[in-house]
Amino acid sequence: AQKITQTQPGMFVQEKEAVTLDCTYDTSDQSYGLFWYKQPSSGEMIFLIYQGSYDEQNATEGRYSLNFQKARKSANLVISASQLGDSAMYFCAIDTGFQKLVFGTGTRLLVSP
Amino acid sequence: DAGITQSPRYKITETGRQVTLMCHQTWSHSYMFWYRQDLGHGLRLIYYSAAADITDKGEVPDGYVVSRSKTENFPLTLESATRSQTSVYFCASSESGSSSYNEQFFGPGTRLTVL
Repeated sequence: AQKITQTQPGMFVQEKEAVTLDCTYDTSDQSYGLFWYKQPSSGEMIFLIYQGSYDEQNATEGRYSLNFQKARKSANLVISASQLGDSAMYFCAIDTGFQKLVFGTGTRLLVSP
Repeated sequence: DAGITQSPRYKITETGRQVTLMCHQTWSHSYMFWYRQDLGHGLRLIYYSAAADITDKGEVPDGYVVSRSKTENFPLTLESATRSQTSVYFCASSESGSSSYNEQFFGPGTRLTVL
C-alpha cells in the first residue's frame, strides 16, 4: 500500500527566507503522481504543485518548487522568499491510481516577520 | 455558484442518528471523492465515484454510505452516527481518474460533531 510520511509536525521560517518541507513516500508502482496542498487556517485545501514519477524536471510553480529524488522516494516542497500568508498546514499526497490520494499527516508552517 | 459546494457547513448530531452531507459541483467532473480529516491523520479517503452510478470504497468506508444518481451530486450518509465520526469532511472532484496530472478541487468542508 502507498504511504506518505511527513516527519516535521511544525516548521518556523522568517519572512523572505526559503524553507523546505519534507515528504517521503512508499509505493511499489512505477507510475504515480505526487501532490502538495496548502490548508490555511480558514480550512480550504489549495493545490500547489504536482510531480509525475516520469517527469525528468523538478516541478516549479512560482515560489514553489518540488525537489524530487526518485531513488530516495522523496518529494520535498521548497518555498522561496516566504511570506506571512504562507503560514498554513501543508500536505503531501500520492496518487494511488484513479486520483485516489493518500495524504501525509501534514506540516504546520509558521512564517514570522 | 460555480465550483464545488458542501452543505451543511456545520452540523451537530447525536449518536445513532442518520446524517447526510451534501456535495455539489458545477464543472461536470467525472470523479468525486469524500475525505475525512482528523488530527494526526491528515485526510483519508472514505469513498469515491468515477461517474454517476459508479462508486467504490476508499481507505475508511465503514459506517458510511454514498450514492451518485447525478454527475453533479455526491451525498455522503452516516447511517447511524458514532462519536468516532466526529470530523471535518471534505468533498472533492476532478476531471478524470487517470494517473496523469489531474488536480482535485476541494469543497470548503463540513464540520460534523457527534454527541
